[in-house]
This record gives sequence, C-alpha cells and structure tokens, in this order.
Amino acid sequence: AQSVAQPEDQVNVAEGNPLTVKCTYSVSGNPYLFWYVQYPNRGLQFLLKYITGDNLVKGSYGFEAEFNKSQTSFHLKKPSALVSDSALYFCAVRDGSGGSYIPTFGRGTSLIVHP
Amino acid sequence: ETGVTQTPRHLVMGMTNKKSLKCEQHLGHNAMYWYKQSAKKPLELMFVYSLEERVENNSVPSRFSPECPNSSHLFLHLHTLQPEDSALYLCASSQDVGTRNTEAFFGQGTRLTVV
Repeated sequence: AQSVAQPEDQVNVAEGNPLTVKCTYSVSGNPYLFWYVQYPNRGLQFLLKYITGDNLVKGSYGFEAEFNKSQTSFHLKKPSALVSDSALYFCAVRDGSGGSYIPTFGRGTSLIVHP
Repeated sequence: ETGVTQTPRHLVMGMTNKKSLKCEQHLGHNAMYWYKQSAKKPLELMFVYSLEERVENNSVPSRFSPECPNSSHLFLHLHTLQPEDSALYLCASSQDVGTRNTEAFFGQGTRLTVV
C-alpha cells in the first residue's frame, strides 16, 4: 500500500522568508511524486513532479522540491515567500513500478504568508 | 484555466431533489475522475473512468451515480442526498490510468450544499 504524510496542518511564514512544506511517502516500488496547490474555492493546480533523475525539481511560481530517497521525503520549498503563495498544498504519490495506479494524496498543508 | 471545466460552480439542493454535475475536458485525456473534498478531511476518490468505462468505485453510496458518455464528458447524478454530502466536488483528468508519471488536471469544482 502507498501513503503520503504531510505532518503539518499549517505553516506560517513571513513574506520574503524561505518556506518549506513537508511531505513524506511510502510506496513499494519507485515513487512518482507530485505537488499541487489549491487556492480558495478552486481546484488543484499542478506545481511540479519528480519521476527520475535530478533530486531537485523546479516547478511553477518559483517553487522547487527536493527528493530524498533515504528519508522518503519530498519537501516543497521556495527561497522567498509571497503573500500570494498563501494556499493549500497537497503532496501526492503514485507507484511507478506497479501496484495501484491511483494516486494517493496527503491531507494538505495550509500555507499562510504574513505581510 | 486547466482545460477541465465544471458546471455549475455552486449548487444548493434539497434532500429530495435530483441534480447533475457536469465535467468537460478538451485535453485529449482518456481518464477522468470524481473526487469529494470535505472540510478537514483528505481528498476522497469517488470514481475513475478509463475510456468511458468505470474502473474504480470506492464504496460510494448509490445516491451518487456517475456517467461517462464519451472520453471528454463526465457527469455525477445526485438524488436524495444528505446534508453530510455537502462538499466541494472535483473533477480531474489525466492522460490515462496506466501512465503513472503524468499529473492530473483538475476542474475548479462544484460547491454543493444540501439543505
């Protein structure tokens, strides 16, 4: 079985400071990892993904994520937060080696960036 | 815009009403999904369609009835709902269920309130 954990329900950061939203995963095969963002009353929007290759993945709006196989983590980062980054962030995993094709989503982390 | 359109955006219905949610994608995708998003709960996968055939039905009550007449359109027919069915209903599409390294594209959702 595959699973995703987002250990923080909420992350608070001041504008201009770096931000990190944490994600850890469990999957029996090769992990395919995704980050999505959801603004209020909107659907999820894809930010970035890790499939293979470079452990540091760059995505939309200046976000990046680092894949760490030994720690089974895929934390989302941004060097300098904007107030407009305030939203709900979801991490998701798919098993790239077989098993269920259905992606598993985390519970979401609310990011609040203070002016 | 993600290429996935949901209508209506908001819906208020009584417990005895019958209504339908509509989802349309023009991305050439072969897989379509219905998710339920309730406050303080993880995303719940409801149904998955692959090339108009239902491939997943996650123990969803029969008062929710999906329909996929073609690979571009997906409906969710609602009847005799309960107040706890109030939620944001999200439609998504992806290239196909078997291509695991691709992301999903979500619609903006239908905010459903059952009174």
